Amino acid sequence: AQSVTQPDIHITVSEGASLELRCNYSYGATPYLFWYVQSPGQGLQLLLKYFSGDTLVQGIKGFEAEFKRSQSSFNLRKPSVHWSDAAEYFCAVGRVNDYKLSFGAGTTVTVRA
Amino acid sequence: EAQVTQNPRYLITVTGKKLTVTCSQNMNHEYMSWYRQDPGLGLRQIYYSMNVEVTDKGDVPEGYKVSRKEKRNFPLILESPSPNQTSLYFCASRYRAETQYFGPGTRLLVL
Repeated sequence: AQSVTQPDIHITVSEGASLELRCNYSYGATPYLFWYVQSPGQGLQLLLKYFSGDTLVQGIKGFEAEFKRSQSSFNLRKPSVHWSDAAEYFCAVGRVNDYKLSFGAGTTVTVRA
Repeated sequence: EAQVTQNPRYLITVTGKKLTVTCSQNMNHEYMSWYRQDPGLGLRQIYYSMNVEVTDKGDVPEGYKVSRKEKRNFPLILESPSPNQTSLYFCASRYRAETQYFGPGTRLLVL
């Protein structure tokens, strides 16, 4: 069975500073990997995904993530955070055979002025 | 517009009173699933369906039922709700390994 760990429950960052959210996964084969964002009171929106190919993936809203197979990681980054990036972020890993998604517990990002 | 809809969006009920949360998608997706979201636990899959009449348990299926009689609809049934089923529920759909689309969520309170 696959699993996802997001080690940071809560991160506070200043507006304009860089942001990195960590995600580690456990899965026996090459996984599908996703990052979703959930703004307060909203549903989930896909930021980016990795299926294969280039390990550096660009997403919406200026986010990118890098797949590192040797470290079983898929960390999310943004060079300069905006106040509107305050939200909860979820990493997810998908299974190749039946596409079942497993989510991490989420990281809440607070942006201070 | 491609979307997943859920109804109701908010629901307060009492222990033991059967309820159904509907989910519908207009993208002709084969794969649909239900999740519950609880603080500190992220999203946990309740049930999923890979096609009409094909359903299977996710990680937390106890106390829930589903059916998939039509491709577009995937209702979640709580036969006898209990307070520990108070949660935020999301329906989702996708085509194979492609992007998963989420509904807006249903916030359920069981008294």
